[in-house]
Amino acid sequence: DIVMTQTPLSSPVTLGQPASISCRSSQSLEHSDGNTYLSWLQQRPGQPPRLLIYKISNRFSGVPDRFSGSGAGTDFTLRISRVEAEDVGVYYCMQATQFPHTFGGGTKVEIK
Amino acid sequence: VHLFESGGGLVRPGGSLRLSCAASGFTFSDYAMTWVRQAPGKGLEWVSSIGGSGVITFYADSVRGRFTISRDNSKNTVYLQMDSLRADDTAVYYCAKVFAIGYCFGGTCYGPPDYWGQGTLVTVSS
Repeated sequence: DIVMTQTPLSSPVTLGQPASISCRSSQSLEHSDGNTYLSWLQQRPGQPPRLLIYKISNRFSGVPDRFSGSGAGTDFTLRISRVEAEDVGVYYCMQATQFPHTFGGGTKVEIK
Repeated sequence: VHLFESGGGLVRPGGSLRLSCAASGFTFSDYAMTWVRQAPGKGLEWVSSIGGSGVITFYADSVRGRFTISRDNSKNTVYLQMDSLRADDTAVYYCAKVFAIGYCFGGTCYGPPDYWGQGTLVTVSS
């Protein structure tokens, strides 16, 4: 199984400042079809998860452009350009390149 | 897109439970569906996925042989039959529609979950 490792575990951020979350996979997430199925999800307190980014850097419908994703192979990053109060929650990376699909352990974004 | 899970509750170790997820707002049979769970205070764990026709299924090692995913496309509903339940199966179980932007086989395309239900709590305890 592919192991997904996120850092940091927690990220205290000042409103309006940027935040960055890293995700590393135990093997390359590039599929034989040439795509890399790395996604980012947000889970606000008391809510189900929500898809933010798919295939490394594509924002899902309705996701603000302050969220961006980058990376390749085994190393990926989610960036929030200017953190807003509604961005508080836990962020997960997830690979859908091969079954079983696996999630990172989560990174908690909170306001300082 | 709307997904509504039901069937959660309190069950004794070794018992069984069947979760249902009623879907609306999209052509149900065109999409794979998935179950993801979250133990109290913990992260997300993928449990199982099923193709659009219901023929192709995938399971996490932790539930293979105990859980069975199925779907009824005439009722726009996906199910998760959970047998031989253990304390470590205690979790909120989320149903999600699969975003069909990935590799395709068996007539269904796979990818990450894009729309999620609110979840149903399963508690396994004596």
